[in-house]
Amino acid sequence: KAGVTQTPRYLIKTRGQQVTLSCSPISGHRSVSWYQQTPGQGLQFLFEYFSETQRNKGNFPGRFSGRQFSNSRSEMNVSTLELGDSALYLCASSEQGINSPLHFGNGTRLTVT
Amino acid sequence: QQQVKQSPQSLIVQKGGISIINCAYENTAFDYFPWYQQFPGKGPALLIAIRPDVSEKKEGRFTISFNKSAKQFSLHIMDSQPGDSATYFCAALAGGSYIPTFGRGTSLIVHP
Repeated sequence: KAGVTQTPRYLIKTRGQQVTLSCSPISGHRSVSWYQQTPGQGLQFLFEYFSETQRNKGNFPGRFSGRQFSNSRSEMNVSTLELGDSALYLCASSEQGINSPLHFGNGTRLTVT
Repeated sequence: QQQVKQSPQSLIVQKGGISIINCAYENTAFDYFPWYQQFPGKGPALLIAIRPDVSEKKEGRFTISFNKSAKQFSLHIMDSQPGDSATYFCAALAGGSYIPTFGRGTSLIVHP
C-alpha cells in the first residue's frame, strides 16, 4: 500500500495570509490526525478526524481548522498566518482500532515571513 | 503542562555503545506506550510499543523497559549504529484514546 502523502512539501507564506495543506491517508484508514512539529515544542496534536467528523481537538486557536472528505482525504487550513506558525505539519492516518499505530506522512514545511 | 517528560533532549553515543532514553508520566490512565523514530526529512514511524502488564519488551537491538510503580519507561538501543541516528519520541495513550501524548523527543547521534 502507498503511504501517507502530504502536499505540498514546502510552503512559504507571508504573515496574514492563509494556507491549506493536504493529506491523503493510507488506503482503508479512516482516521486522520494532524500534528505541528517545532524544535521547541516537539509534536503537538492539532485535531483528528474520523469518517468526516472531528473526533478530537488539541489546544490550538480557531485559526487552525481542518476537514475530512468522504474518501478520507483531509485538509488543514491556517488563516491569518503568524510568524510562530512556521513549523513542520505532519499528517498521520490509522486504522480504527484503539492503540492502532499512527502512520505519518513526511510533512509540509511551512515558513511564514 | 507536559504529560510525558522525555530526557535527554540530545544524546551522542559511539558506535557499538548503548543508547538510553527515558520517559516519565503522571497520568495513571495511560496504558499503552509506543516509541516513534524519525529520520531527517521523514515523518515519525512506530518503532516498538509496550503495555504496562509487562516489564520489558525486546525487538532486535531495541528494548523497552517499563516501571509501572515509578511511572517511567525507557528505550535502550544496544550496539548502537550510525544508522540509528534519528530523533526518538516516546508516547503514551490512555485507555480508549486514539491520540497519543508525545514526549518532546531525543536527538540521537551515533558516531562511527
